[in-house]
Amino acid sequence: GQQVMQIPQYQHVQEGEDFTTYCNSSTTLSNIQWYKQRPGGHPVFLIQLVKSGEVKKQKRLTFQFGEAKKNSSLHITATQTTDVGTYFCAGLGDSNYQLIWGAGTKLIIKP
Amino acid sequence: DSGVTQTPKHLITATGQRVTLRCSPRSGDLSVYWYQQSLDQGLQFLIQYYNGEERAKGNILERFSAQQFPDLHSELNLSSLELGDSALYFCASSVGGPGYEQYFGPGTRLTVT
Repeated sequence: GQQVMQIPQYQHVQEGEDFTTYCNSSTTLSNIQWYKQRPGGHPVFLIQLVKSGEVKKQKRLTFQFGEAKKNSSLHITATQTTDVGTYFCAGLGDSNYQLIWGAGTKLIIKP
Repeated sequence: DSGVTQTPKHLITATGQRVTLRCSPRSGDLSVYWYQQSLDQGLQFLIQYYNGEERAKGNILERFSAQQFPDLHSELNLSSLELGDSALYFCASSVGGPGYEQYFGPGTRLTVT
């Protein structure tokens, strides 16, 4: 079945360093969504990408959708303590009936 | 506040028991999704309902069942509980199908002893 692989599982960074998480699908996606879950909280929708090669920015966050619509990335510039949490991608396959979730990347800021 | 409510917030029960988790979606949302999240793990999609009908099934055990009522609230029933069922159960809602952004509730933490 369709899978969405997300790497890395964890990333430790110093505050001020950049952070990137990647998602790769085994099949073409109709769209991809990104969510953030703070420690002890619930997932919160960040953004949705639908077009091939699409790039969207939200302040220090940059989201990309690959040309083949099989991969996506989230890049955070100059991380802050408020960025701590787990970032999930979720892709919708061509069947359009079920969102397939990545395993998440946990961003940890080193003390 | 996402507008999605879940009750109860916490539930402690014994193995072999049955529990019901309740979810009220955001006003206007027709889809409800149920997810299971074990400690420090990812989100496991269980099941989706749209306007009262089951639309998609994920890794839902046969011991688990769900339904969506005419007023669009949903219930997740977990029976013959095992220790491994201890987890955070999230409900999410969206205006349409899975192509729309999902709004998550605060979750129900289930502890099976």
